[in-house]
Amino acid sequence: EVQLVESGGGLVQPGASLKLSCVASGFTFSDYWMSWVRQTPGKTMEWIGDIKYDGSYTNYAPSLKNRFTISRDNAKSTLYLQMSNVRSEDTATYYCTRGAGSPYWFAYWGQGTLVTVSS
Amino acid sequence: DIQMTQSPASLSASLGETVTIECRASEDIYNGLAWYQQKPGKSPQLLIYNANSLHTGVPSRFSGSGSGTQYSLKINSLQSEDVASYFCQQYYDYPWTFGGGTKLELK
Repeated sequence: EVQLVESGGGLVQPGASLKLSCVASGFTFSDYWMSWVRQTPGKTMEWIGDIKYDGSYTNYAPSLKNRFTISRDNAKSTLYLQMSNVRSEDTATYYCTRGAGSPYWFAYWGQGTLVTVSS
Repeated sequence: DIQMTQSPASLSASLGETVTIECRASEDIYNGLAWYQQKPGKSPQLLIYNANSLHTGVPSRFSGSGSGTQYSLKINSLQSEDVASYFCQQYYDYPWTFGGGTKLELK
C-alpha cells in the first residue's frame, strides 16, 4: 500500500525557515516523480513544484521559486520541502503527492502537514 | 499560467440526481486535466485523469468529458458519500494549476 507521511509543520514566525519531510513507503520511491501541493485555509489548491525520480530536475511555481526548494533522498525514501522567508500567505496544509508514473496528475496524497505563519 | 475557472462554486443536489461540474481553461489544454474529490477533513483523491479516464477503484457513476478549454465532471445517481469538494487540475503546461473548487452538498 502506498503511504506518504508528511511532517515538520507547525507555527512559524514570518521571515523564518522551515523544512518539511515526506516519508514514502509501499512503492519504489526512486522510480517516481514527486510533488508538493498546498491548500490554503480558504481551500485554494496550489501546486508548489516537483522533482524528477533521480533528483536531477525540479520545476516550481514561479511565485515560489525563489523561496522554496524541493529535494529528495532516495536512500531514505524521503521528499523534502525547504521553505525560507515564510510569509503569512504561506499558511496552508502542505501535501506530498505522487503521480502514476508521470508528474502530471496526483494519484496519491499524504495526510498533509499544517504550516501556520504568524507572529 | 493557465487559469482554471470552475463552476459552480457550490452546489446542492438530491440523492439519485445527476450532477455536473464544469471547468474552463484559459487556453487549450489538450485533455491534460484531472479531477479530484476531497471529503471534509481528508486529503484529495484522484477521480479522473486525461479528462475522461477513470482512476482505479473510482465508481463508474463518475465520468469526465470535454476538450479544448471546456471540461466537465458528471456524477450519476448521487450518493450520500459523494458529499465533498471537487477540484480540477490542468497538467498541459507548467505550472500545474487548479480550479477554485466546487462544494457539493445534499439538498
